[in-house]
Amino acid sequence: DADVTQTPRNRITKTGKRIMLECSQTKGHDRMYWYRQDPGLGLRLIYYSFDVKDINKGEISDGYSVSRQAQAKFSLSLESAIPNQTALYFCATSGYRGDIQYFGAGTRLSVL
Amino acid sequence: GNSVTQMEGPVTLSEEAFLTINCTYTATGYPSLFWYVQYPGEGLQLLLKATKADDKGSNKGFEATYRKETTSFHLEKGSVQVSDSAVYFCAYNTNAGKSTFGDGTTLTVKP
Repeated sequence: DADVTQTPRNRITKTGKRIMLECSQTKGHDRMYWYRQDPGLGLRLIYYSFDVKDINKGEISDGYSVSRQAQAKFSLSLESAIPNQTALYFCATSGYRGDIQYFGAGTRLSVL
Repeated sequence: GNSVTQMEGPVTLSEEAFLTINCTYTATGYPSLFWYVQYPGEGLQLLLKATKADDKGSNKGFEATYRKETTSFHLEKGSVQVSDSAVYFCAYNTNAGKSTFGDGTTLTVKP
C-alpha cells in the first residue's frame, strides 16, 4: 500500500460546485501539505499543517480551505469551483524540519 | 525572496548521453537541497538530497553537489537511459519546514 493515498484520482466537476479532495498517510508524520501543479509553473503550496492544531496558508490559498481531521488525514476543499482551479493536486507529508517530502499519486481535477 | 531556478526544458537526449540539469537557489541560511523525480502518472519522489555545503547526493547514477559559493545544486548523470525519462524538480527546505520547488525540467531520452 502507498504511504500517501489521495482520493479521488480523477474528478470532473462543474463551476460553482463544492468538492473535497482527501489525503491520508501511514508514515506517522506530523506535517502535511497540499500543492497544485500546473504546466510550466512547478508546484505551488496551497496549505500546510505542522500538526493537528496548526494550519497555515500557503502562497495560493484563495478559493481553498482545508481540514486536518487527524494526524493521518488532511483534506482540501474547493468551496465554489472555478475553471482556473483545473490542475493536478498533490498531497505530501514530511517528518521534521528540512526533511524529505513524500507525495501521493495526485488528483487530476477538471472544472468545466 | 526565496526561489529556485531550474534549467528550462524540455531536454531531449539520446540513450547513453551525458545529462546536466542546472539548478540555482536564493535562500537565507543553510537550506537542505533536493532533487525529486516525477514519472508519468505518478507523484514526486525523492531522487537525492544534500544537507550541507560540499555534500554530494547520489542515487541511481545521478549526482548533485551542494555548492554554497555559487548557490547551485546541478543534477548530472553520465549515461542516461530511456527509463530516466521524467520530470525533474529541484527543491530546498529551510528550517521553517516548507519546501520551495523549481518549475521542473522534462527529460526525454530516445533509444
